[in-house]
Amino acid sequence: GQQLNQSPQSMFIQEGEDVSMNCTSSSIFNTWLWYKQDPGEGPVLLIALYKAGELTSNGRLTAQFGITRKDSFLNISASIPSDVGIYFCAGRLNNFNKFYFGSGTKLNVKP
Amino acid sequence: EAGVTQFPSHSVIEKGQTVTLRCDPISGHDNLYWYRRVMGKEIKFLLHFVKESKQDESGMPNNRFLAERTGGTYSTLKVQPAELEDSGVYFCASSLSGAVQFFGPGTRLTVL
Repeated sequence: GQQLNQSPQSMFIQEGEDVSMNCTSSSIFNTWLWYKQDPGEGPVLLIALYKAGELTSNGRLTAQFGITRKDSFLNISASIPSDVGIYFCAGRLNNFNKFYFGSGTKLNVKP
Repeated sequence: EAGVTQFPSHSVIEKGQTVTLRCDPISGHDNLYWYRRVMGKEIKFLLHFVKESKQDESGMPNNRFLAERTGGTYSTLKVQPAELEDSGVYFCASSLSGAVQFFGPGTRLTVL
């Protein structure tokens, strides 16, 4: 099956710092999604990207669909303690609803 | 509106036993998905229902896993007999159409 390489695996940052994480794939995807999982909860969709080069923001979060269609980035600006959680990228090869997920980036924010 | 619910939230069983997980999707969502996350790894697709039909079951690990969605509402995922490597968090998700899937809180399965 498809493999998504998500990095970094974990991050320890100070409150107020900016954060970047990314996903890369060996295949071309037509959709990229970014999810956040809080402890004890299921992943919640943050941002959906449907077009190469697309840059979309959701509050302090910004995600981009890479122009090669093989990667995506998520940036969080001015992090706060409630940003703590696991962030997952997910990509779709075609128009069927099968998504491939990365292994997650665990974010820790120190107040 | 209620979100996706899953039952139980945790299950601890012994190797060789049977476990059945249940998922209630958001009302009206025809698409229902099962995923599994083994500790520290990716969330892996298991299968996709459209109403009561299996659209894609390419991610099911082996024939010890059986998923059903009779009547096109809730779904069950049965593991029989369970093996140690089946431990992980099983997520269910549902969608109306398109890419946006809403996830349940997951069932943490531990096989001893």
